[in-house]
Parts: sequence; C-alpha cells; structure tokens
Amino acid sequence: AQSVTQLDSQVPVFEEAPVELRCNYSSSVSVYLFWYVQYPNQGLQLLLKYLSGSTLVESINGFEAEFNKSQTSFHLRKPSVHISDTAEYFCAVISGTYKYIFGTGTRLKVLA
Amino acid sequence: DTEVTQTPKHLVMGMTNKKSLKCEQHMGHRAMYWYKQKAKKPPELMFVYSYEKLSINESVPSRFSPECPNSSLLNLHLHALQPEDSALYLCASSQGLAGSTDTQYFGPGTRLTVL
Repeated sequence: AQSVTQLDSQVPVFEEAPVELRCNYSSSVSVYLFWYVQYPNQGLQLLLKYLSGSTLVESINGFEAEFNKSQTSFHLRKPSVHISDTAEYFCAVISGTYKYIFGTGTRLKVLA
Repeated sequence: DTEVTQTPKHLVMGMTNKKSLKCEQHMGHRAMYWYKQKAKKPPELMFVYSYEKLSINESVPSRFSPECPNSSLLNLHLHALQPEDSALYLCASSQGLAGSTDTQYFGPGTRLTVL
C-alpha cells in the first residue's frame, strides 16, 4: 500500500534561516509527487510537483524539492524563509491511480 | 488561469436544515472532487466526478449528496447533518482521470459549522 510520511508535525524557524520539510513515501511503482501549501482558513495551493525528468523542481517563490528514488524522499527546502511562509505544508503522492495520498502535514512557523 | 471558486465561504446550519455548497471551474477540466478537511488533518476524499458522472464515492453517508449539473459546476447538497460534519469542504478539479499526472487544483473551501 502507498503511504506518505511527514515526520515533523511542526517546524519553527527564524526569519531568513533555511528550512527543510521532510517527506518520505512508500510505493512499489512509479510515483508522482506534490507539495501543497495551505495558509490559515484557505484552500490548498500547489507549490510544486515532480512528474518526470529533472529530479530537482522549483517553485516561483523560492522553494525547491528533490525527488530521491533511492531514499524514497521528496523533501522541501528554502534557503531563506519569510514570515509570509508561515503555513501548513502537505506532501502528496499519486501512484497508479488518480487518488492523492496525503501526508499528515507540517506546520511551518516562521519567527521574527 | 488555475482558479476553482467555491461558495459560500462560510456556512452555519442546523441539523434539520438543507443547504448546498457550490464549486465552479472554467479550466475545461473534466474531473472534479469533493474533499472534507478537519482541523490539523489532511483532506479526505469524498467524491470524484469524471465527465459529469460519479466515479467514486468513498463510502460517504447519504446526508451528503453530490450533483454535477455540467462540466464546470459541482454541488454538494447537505441534509440532516451532524455536528461532527463541521469541517472545511474543499473542491478540486483536474484535467481528467486518464493518468497519474493529472494535477488537482483546489478551491478556497467552504467552512461549514453544524449546530
């Protein structure tokens, strides 16, 4: 069965510091991976996705994630966070079907 | 344009009320989804419509009744809800269900409170 693990439920980090949000998946077949961000009282916004090709994918607001097949990971990174990055981040995987398998989410709290 | 709109933004209803949530997209997507999200939890899939036909019902109670009047609209009719149904209801759409690469785009959600 497919699953997604986000081990860190909450990550506090100071403004302008780097951050890594971890995501690991389990699947025996090819996967497609996504990161979504959810600001308070809002829906989910697609941050970035890995479908094929280059294993390093970037978003327009400075986040990047690297697909690592050997470690079954898709960690999200940003070299310098802003207060406005405070939000809930969900990792999701599709494997073989249309159905998203979501992780439990990581709350990123950026401190001034 | 990757916008999915949902109305209303907030809804408060009693357990005997009948109400509807609406979702709309104009991206030409042929698959639409309803999710339920409780606080501090990931979204849970409820229904999937593909080409205006119900494809998947994730064993959702009959007090939730989806309807897809056309390819751009998806409604969720609510009747005799329970307080535990209070949650954020999210709509999403994707180009189709043809393959695993169909990225889902989410609306802002309707915050439902059942008294």
